[in-house]
Amino acid sequence: NAGVTQTPKFRILKIGQSMTLQCTQDMNHNYMYWYRQDPGMGLKLIYYSVGAGITDKGEVPNGYNVSRSTTEDFPLRLELAAPSQTSVYFCASRVDGTLAVYTFGSGTRLTVV
Amino acid sequence: RKEVEQDPGPFNVPEGATVAFNCTYSNSASQSFFWYRQDCRKEPKLLMSVYSSGNEDGRFTAQLNRASQYISLLIRDSKLSDSATYLCVVSYTGRRALTFGSGTRLQVQP
Repeated sequence: NAGVTQTPKFRILKIGQSMTLQCTQDMNHNYMYWYRQDPGMGLKLIYYSVGAGITDKGEVPNGYNVSRSTTEDFPLRLELAAPSQTSVYFCASRVDGTLAVYTFGSGTRLTVV
Repeated sequence: RKEVEQDPGPFNVPEGATVAFNCTYSNSASQSFFWYRQDCRKEPKLLMSVYSSGNEDGRFTAQLNRASQYISLLIRDSKLSDSATYLCVVSYTGRRALTFGSGTRLQVQP
């Protein structure tokens, strides 16, 4: 099992560009999450999904979009990148009823210049 | 005020020392509590859950005080490999995602 796979690991974007951060899990988890982590800060929830076709906003959704067409995939779309979106992005998943045990991907380090 | 607050540190301790971190949470509709560990530039990983009666996992002891709304993590006989950031994490009733504190950085020195 690969667990949660995120691509790319690193990316530099110019202001105004768009990109999609990919997240795939092979554990058949229903719940998936996107967090961002700024330097020296905790994780902030961007979006989450409780199953295919269902997504909901988290704490900091502005400037991002998500979709969940399959159980496995939960891509995060950045439109019109801004320097404030420079951060490390983590995708995570979990099964129903097991709140604590998130499985995280290894993260995508994004710099917007 | 943040819902989950931690002293950012860093806590610099020698090998073999005992060190304790506290975390306060502000929302009384809290359900479950956890400590996650995050190594530099890596993803967080579950260290241990925190139970009302207190619980141990080897050199690590976690305590919960609901009346005062804080949890603690005690590390005995610190190892160099314990150097990391420790995240206090709370699950709130009715929410489908965990709430993370900003973390406390521990640096164990030889």
